[in-house]
Amino acid sequence: AQSVTQLGSHVSVSEGALVLLRCNYSSSVPPYLFWYVQYPNQGLQLLLKYTSAATLVKGINGFEAEFKKSETSFHLTKPSAHMSDAAEYFCAVILLIGSSNTGKLIFGQGTTLQVKP
Amino acid sequence: NAGVTQTPKFQVLKTGQSMTLQCAQDMNHEYMSWYRQDPGMGLRLIHYSVGAGITDQGEVPNGYNVSRSTTEDFPLRLLSAAPSQTSVYFCARTPGGRRAAQETQYFGPGTRLLVL
Repeated sequence: AQSVTQLGSHVSVSEGALVLLRCNYSSSVPPYLFWYVQYPNQGLQLLLKYTSAATLVKGINGFEAEFKKSETSFHLTKPSAHMSDAAEYFCAVILLIGSSNTGKLIFGQGTTLQVKP
Repeated sequence: NAGVTQTPKFQVLKTGQSMTLQCAQDMNHEYMSWYRQDPGMGLRLIHYSVGAGITDQGEVPNGYNVSRSTTEDFPLRLLSAAPSQTSVYFCARTPGGRRAAQETQYFGPGTRLLVL
């Protein structure tokens, strides 16, 4: 069965500090992994995705994530936090279901990032 | 939101009332899904559709019905609302087919539902 676990429901950093949001996955097949961001009272926006082309994936807004098979991890990082990065972040793995291969996302519990001035 | 719209943005219901959450997309996309978001649980799949006239259950389908009479519209119906259905509901343009695992799922802006 495929699943993802996000370590830490709340992370607080100072503006300009490194952002590290942790995600570990469990999968019986090579996983395709995603990070989404949700700003307050908004929908989910794709930050980046891993589809096996490269282990270091660069996304929008200066975020990147590294796929590490040996550690079953896909942690999200940003070198310098900005106030506008305050949001909830979700890690997800895709599971194909049904005879038509519908892509179902399995989400982690989410991590709320607080950025202090 | 990649062409996915949802109405209403916010709704308050009393226990036992019924309502329909609307979802529409203008990309002629075959695969669509409904998720609910609850604190500490991420998003969970309610129902999905692979095309007009074809729907199937996700992991939390109880208390919800869907239909897909056209490719554009994918409404979610609550026949008798319960407080446990208080949540934020997202409609999504969903990957499907041979390359589904590598494609992106695009979410609508969401509907916040409060059941009293």
